[in-house]
Amino acid sequence: TQLLEQSPQFLSIQEGENLTVYCNSSSVFSSLQWYRQEPGEGPVLLVTVVTGGEVKKLKRLTFQFGDARKDSSLHITAAQPGDTGLYLCAGANQAGTALIFGKGTTLSVSS
Amino acid sequence: ETGVTQSPTHLIKTRGQQVTLRCSSQSGHNTVSWYQQALGQGPQFIFQYYREEENGRGNFPPRFSGLQFPNYSSELNVNALELDDSALYLCASSLSGRGSGNTIYFGEGSWLTVV
Repeated sequence: TQLLEQSPQFLSIQEGENLTVYCNSSSVFSSLQWYRQEPGEGPVLLVTVVTGGEVKKLKRLTFQFGDARKDSSLHITAAQPGDTGLYLCAGANQAGTALIFGKGTTLSVSS
Repeated sequence: ETGVTQSPTHLIKTRGQQVTLRCSSQSGHNTVSWYQQALGQGPQFIFQYYREEENGRGNFPPRFSGLQFPNYSSELNVNALELDDSALYLCASSLSGRGSGNTIYFGEGSWLTVV
């Protein structure tokens, strides 16, 4: 069974701080995706990482895919209140028909 | 704005009742997937429809059923509602039946409360 575990589950920080969210699995994934979800809305895709060791940057967000394609991390530099939300990592199941999601990391950034 | 629209946005049902949720996929997308997201959890895959046929199913009982229409819109039906069915139901559309490598667009979801 493919599972994705995210940590931490909750994170409450002050504006300007840095943070890292982790997504780990014992299974190899062909790619991993990171989503951000705000209350009352559906998840919105932030990035897809495909190659082991790949690093992608999206403004203050840095995403890394592990060399073995079993884990990924999301690093936010100088967090802002607008970064508040639920961050989800997801990978395709073996059949390629569905996304398997982690339980998410709820981030709260206060000013 | 993802182009995926769901209705209704919120509804309350009584245990034992039946519910139908609707989804209009993004224009040109032939694949629709449904996910259940309980409070504080990540979305869980229910099933996927590709060109009007069920193309994959998660670990949900048969009382969860679906349909996809020729225009690729979709319905999720849940019979004999239970309290644990209370959740956000998300519809997602994509261009093909393969999830890997294709961008999936989610709707804003339908909040179902079972009392």
